[in-house]
Amino acid sequence: GESVGLHLPTLSVQEGDNSIINCAYSNSASDYFIWYKQESGKGPQFIIDIRSNMDKRQGQRVTVLLNKTVKHLSLQIAATQPGDSAVYFCAENSPYGGATNKLIFGTGTLLAVQP
Amino acid sequence: EPEVTQTPSHQVTQMGQEVILRCVPISNHLYFYWYRQILGQKVEFLVSFYNNEISEKSEIFDDQFSVERPDGSNFTLKIRSTKLEDSAMYFCASSVNTDTQYFGPGTRLTVL
Repeated sequence: GESVGLHLPTLSVQEGDNSIINCAYSNSASDYFIWYKQESGKGPQFIIDIRSNMDKRQGQRVTVLLNKTVKHLSLQIAATQPGDSAVYFCAENSPYGGATNKLIFGTGTLLAVQP
Repeated sequence: EPEVTQTPSHQVTQMGQEVILRCVPISNHLYFYWYRQILGQKVEFLVSFYNNEISEKSEIFDDQFSVERPDGSNFTLKIRSTKLEDSAMYFCASSVNTDTQYFGPGTRLTVL
């Protein structure tokens, strides 16, 4: 049958190369951002986060960069491995004045790592 | 490492039937959420829950939907009369504060 849905941007990289996944967010009032990894059939898995008072944060093999001026977020993965193949979503934590925040997810980017 | 768990992993139901999706959040978390993801699309917020009440809900979360925390460990999403367009993956998430939300593996709901 016909599949319906968004056409995901795809990034194809060679194993061992560095990957850069980009995301534009919508709300200039968002103060917290998260990158999630989603493998097929599974839930979003937390990778790294960053607050709006920072412009860079590093984790193990991953770095997130935040440019508030242009509302842009990027995820850099060093020495990409086949196990990194997944869909990557950025999410902005949107404050609205209530007791909780809600996450607004981006469209997602499919990372395909070629061995 | 503590994880959010969800049951069932796959639920098939007839249109018009009621379904209850179950979640066990991480034990020391205080904030609970439901999201859904229609096949091939992005994850969408449905509802957030804190201090035994709904904190925010999206326009998707209409009168057919309800949430409950019936005891100290479970968090449920009920759809009273399912429609075909309710077919999706439903994710539960929890957080200790208003920051990082941790997601469960999801329940795939198929409405026939």
